[in-house]
Amino acid sequence: GAVVSQHPSRVICKSGTSVKIECRSLDFQATTMFWYRQFPKQSLMLMATSNEGSKATYEQGVEKDKFLINHASLTLSTLTVTSAHPEDSSFYICSASKGDLEAFFGQGTRLTVV
Amino acid sequence: AQRVTQPEKLLSVFKGAPVELKCNYSYSGSPELFWYVQYSRQRLQLLLRHISRESIKGFTADLNKGETSFHLKKPFAQEEDSAMYYCALSGMGSNYKLTFGKGTLLTVNP
Repeated sequence: GAVVSQHPSRVICKSGTSVKIECRSLDFQATTMFWYRQFPKQSLMLMATSNEGSKATYEQGVEKDKFLINHASLTLSTLTVTSAHPEDSSFYICSASKGDLEAFFGQGTRLTVV
Repeated sequence: AQRVTQPEKLLSVFKGAPVELKCNYSYSGSPELFWYVQYSRQRLQLLLRHISRESIKGFTADLNKGETSFHLKKPFAQEEDSAMYYCALSGMGSNYKLTFGKGTLLTVNP
């Protein structure tokens, strides 16, 4: 099967700092990766679609300057939460598609901003 | 706009009983529908998708375009089926961008 790995799985950062989350497809090339945010006891909300070599497409209401997405290669996409605040604390999940209508999910990253 | 509704947050059944997790969708075109499952402390994983019309772990789901539903069913629930289930929709040409329902937590009691 296809494996998607996120790193780190947990991160605590101070308010005002930036934190980077990596999403890697380990055994396949992913032309498209997706970033989701999940609040406690709520569903996954799509934040942005990341395409290799081009700018990410953000969903309505998601600040592109706040959540920087880079998809530099076919196996790596990064999400950087800039100037993090406590309200950015959440569970961030990435998924990657290899083009056959199935998306493979990472294990998620628990971000806590203190 | 596309929307997925799972009306039940929680569903509890006894082992061996039938189970049905409801999912309704709203989409103007022809959607692709999926069920994803998340077992405790594990990542989200695909359970089944309507285009493959397969049965996974005894679960089936039929797309009913008239009722815009994609309910997940299993005739005899097992304790290991206890998990969070998410119904998801991908619009045609959306490059597999998924819209998720809020999920239903299924508990199968012994």
